[in-house]
Amino acid sequence: KAGVTQTPRYLIKTRGQRVTLSCSPISGHRSVSWYQQTPGQGLQFLFEYFSETQRNKGNFPGRFSGRQFSNSRSEMNVSTLELGDSALYLCASSLAKAGGTDTQYFGPGTRLTVL
Amino acid sequence: SQKIEQNSEALNIQEGKTATLTCNYTNYSPAYLQWYRQDPGRGPVFLLLIRENEKEKRKERLKVTFDTTLKQSLFHITASQPADSATYLCALEKTGGSYIPTFGRGTSLIVHP
Repeated sequence: KAGVTQTPRYLIKTRGQRVTLSCSPISGHRSVSWYQQTPGQGLQFLFEYFSETQRNKGNFPGRFSGRQFSNSRSEMNVSTLELGDSALYLCASSLAKAGGTDTQYFGPGTRLTVL
Repeated sequence: SQKIEQNSEALNIQEGKTATLTCNYTNYSPAYLQWYRQDPGRGPVFLLLIRENEKEKRKERLKVTFDTTLKQSLFHITASQPADSATYLCALEKTGGSYIPTFGRGTSLIVHP
């Protein structure tokens, strides 16, 4: 089975711009979560989508948004980029079985640099 | 507030020794705890899951213990190898049963040949 894929792998943007990151989950996985990872804050949960609906949300400003398509693929958008948005953005998919554990399968990440 | 603590200092050990990493938590009543490995510039990779009613779990050279009284998990790598050098993250599911794990900040392990 193919793993989680993320595109692009690297991205350089300038302050004020908008960016869209893409994630394709493992086939059969219906839940897609997004995380931001920085050396200072570690792995921070952004949001989770399940069946095209945002089911959980972390403590990030409204500049961060996302969506999920009917094929479970997901996109994450960041508008009005700030220098502090420079980070590794990770997408993870899971089976999200009712009543079960939720092991996250991560993609390789997108390294975003904001200049 | 809920907190997950892992030693921020890197753990340096010699090849062949047993590495022991610690994960402490407060204000959680987790049903299970997970350990992940992360290499630089890559996403975390799931290693082991242990449930609250399990004291110990093993997988090849890996062993995890879970003490809900002490609110602590220990992660052991026996006969460590330089290839085990990585950052190891523990994760607890978010209280409230949302099944989204919350991650500790990880401990870096460096195994010297």
